[in-house]
Amino acid sequence: NAGVTQTPKFQVLKTGQSMTLQCAQDMNHNSMYWYRQDPGMGLRLIYYSASEGTTDKGEVPNGYNVSRLNKREFSLRLESAAPSQTSVYFCASSEAQRTYNSPLHFGNGTRLTVT
Amino acid sequence: AQSVTQLGSHVSVSEGALVLLRCNYSSSVPPYLFWYVQYPNQGLQLLLKYTTGATLVKGINGFEAEFKKSETSFHLTKPSAHMSDAAEYFCAVSTPSGTYKYIFGTGTRLKVLA
Repeated sequence: NAGVTQTPKFQVLKTGQSMTLQCAQDMNHNSMYWYRQDPGMGLRLIYYSASEGTTDKGEVPNGYNVSRLNKREFSLRLESAAPSQTSVYFCASSEAQRTYNSPLHFGNGTRLTVT
Repeated sequence: AQSVTQLGSHVSVSEGALVLLRCNYSSSVPPYLFWYVQYPNQGLQLLLKYTTGATLVKGINGFEAEFKKSETSFHLTKPSAHMSDAAEYFCAVSTPSGTYKYIFGTGTRLKVLA
């Protein structure tokens, strides 16, 4: 089982460039999430999708957009990258529409550097 | 609003010693609590979770945690550390408040000394 697959694994961007981080899950999960991980700050939610066709902002949405393409795929787009967006990005999924009692399944992350 | 505090960003223990990683939470409603582990260059994996029922929860790799409502704590323990336990550990809280999200602690990096 692949679980949650993220691409690319690594990326270097120049300030102002755009890119899309891809995420796909093969567990037939309803909910999908994008987090960023920064040293000393834990994981912070960028956007989430409780079900196919819906997306909502999390704690730190500024500078990002998302698309829930279908039940399997949830992409994160940086329209104009900034050095403050240098981070490790994790996609996650969960079975239930309501997250509170359903564990998250994580991908292995995308390490993004913006110069 | 809920929050999570993990005391100690770095913890070192000797191989074979007790592992104790501390987590305190704040929530106005009964919380659901989780511990995740992150090995280098990997995503987070669920270690254990407390939802309802028994307050002592057993997880994978010999870890367990006890939910103590009076102390608002959910500390993670393992009786005997192994070198393979070296990783970063995250406590997380979630509540049935309709917000559809977890709140993660800032993480504790566990180092196991030979």
